[in-house]
Amino acid sequence: GENVEQHPSTLSVQEGDSAVIKCTYSDSASNYFPWYKQELGKRPQLIIDIRSNVGEKKDQRIAVTLNKTAKHFSLHITETQPEDSAVYFCAASKGNTPLVFGKGTRLSVIA
Amino acid sequence: DTAVSQTPKYLVTQMGNDKSIKCEQNLGHDTMYWYKQDSKKFLKIMFSYNNKELIINETVPNRFSPKSPDKAHLNLHINSLELGDSAVYFCASSQAGQGVGGYTFGSGTRLTVV
Repeated sequence: GENVEQHPSTLSVQEGDSAVIKCTYSDSASNYFPWYKQELGKRPQLIIDIRSNVGEKKDQRIAVTLNKTAKHFSLHITETQPEDSAVYFCAASKGNTPLVFGKGTRLSVIA
Repeated sequence: DTAVSQTPKYLVTQMGNDKSIKCEQNLGHDTMYWYKQDSKKFLKIMFSYNNKELIINETVPNRFSPKSPDKAHLNLHINSLELGDSAVYFCASSQAGQGVGGYTFGSGTRLTVV
């Protein structure tokens, strides 16, 4: 089955700096790659997603890139703010199977 | 209106007891899921239901039995609770098949077995 690896497990950045989180997946048939943000004690919430026919997608300060050949995708957050502090999860699916999640990255934005 | 609601939010119980967690979604989604989030925050799929039919059972002990009376509800019953069952259990739903399109998660049920 699919296996998703996520790095780093923890990340600290200064407010205003950029943060990058990277994931790799094992199943070349996977075609959907969402990112979720989970604040302390809250539910995971979808922040951005990308499908395999697209190489990059941007939404304000958040962008995701996908390299199908290398089977990796990344989340980029620019101009980080304290409210970006949370655990971020990447996930992958091939459309007929449930999402398989990475192990999460705890992002701390230091004011 | 809460899109995916779970009850109870907290559950503390003794080893060996049987307990249930309920989940309801009002989004009209066809597919519902149970995920387990352990103390290290790892989210692992347990079950997937599509229109009341079990699709995926990810090597979960048979002490765990999901039930879907209709496509808006997916409940989880756990028999003979063990210490290792302590975790946060999330229900989720999605519209377009199992893995395509965003999942909407419930607020989670924190289960503590003592």
